[in-house]
Amino acid sequence: KAGVTQTPRYLIKTRGQQVTLSCSPISGHRSVSWYQQTPGQGLQFLFEYFSETQRNKGNFPGRFSGRQFSNSRSEMNVSTLELGDSALYLCASSLVSGGQGYEQYFGPGTRLTVT
Amino acid sequence: AQSVTQLDSQVPVFEEAPVELRCNYSSSVSVYLFWYVQYPNQGLQLLLKYLSGSTLVKGINGFEAEFNKSQTSFHLRKPSVHISDTAEYFCAVISGGSYIPTFGRGTSLIVHP
Repeated sequence: KAGVTQTPRYLIKTRGQQVTLSCSPISGHRSVSWYQQTPGQGLQFLFEYFSETQRNKGNFPGRFSGRQFSNSRSEMNVSTLELGDSALYLCASSLVSGGQGYEQYFGPGTRLTVT
Repeated sequence: AQSVTQLDSQVPVFEEAPVELRCNYSSSVSVYLFWYVQYPNQGLQLLLKYLSGSTLVKGINGFEAEFNKSQTSFHLRKPSVHISDTAEYFCAVISGGSYIPTFGRGTSLIVHP
């Protein structure tokens, strides 16, 4: 099976702009989670989507949003970028079905740099 | 609420030496436990998982971990490390009906020749 893919891999944006990141989960996985990883804060959970619905949300401002499509592909959007949004954004998919499949499978990440 | 503490931020070790990366969690209910590895400029890769059953869990690349309920620990071990094991290692826990893991801050394993 193909793994989790994320596009683009690298992105440079200017403060105030917005950005959209894309994630394609492993085939058959309906849960997609997004994380922000920085040296100072570590891995922080943004949100999780399951069957096109946001099921869980982390403690991030409303500038961070996401969605999931019927084919389980997901996008996250950050509006009005700030310098502190520079980070590695990781997408993870999991099966989570019938009491199984709790482990998450991660994509390679999108490295966002805000200047 | 669940939380994970990785007691060492950095562990230096010489090649072919044994290593133990420590992980403690706090949760009052049953837990699922995971170790992930992250190589530079890559995402996280699952090393091993404990869901139930035997408390000694074997994973990929020769790693193993032991679930100790009384000490709420899930330490990762390898009897002989290689240079290629140099990476960041993350412990994670799922509990209380949640599907979302809580990750530790990570331990940087540095293997010296």
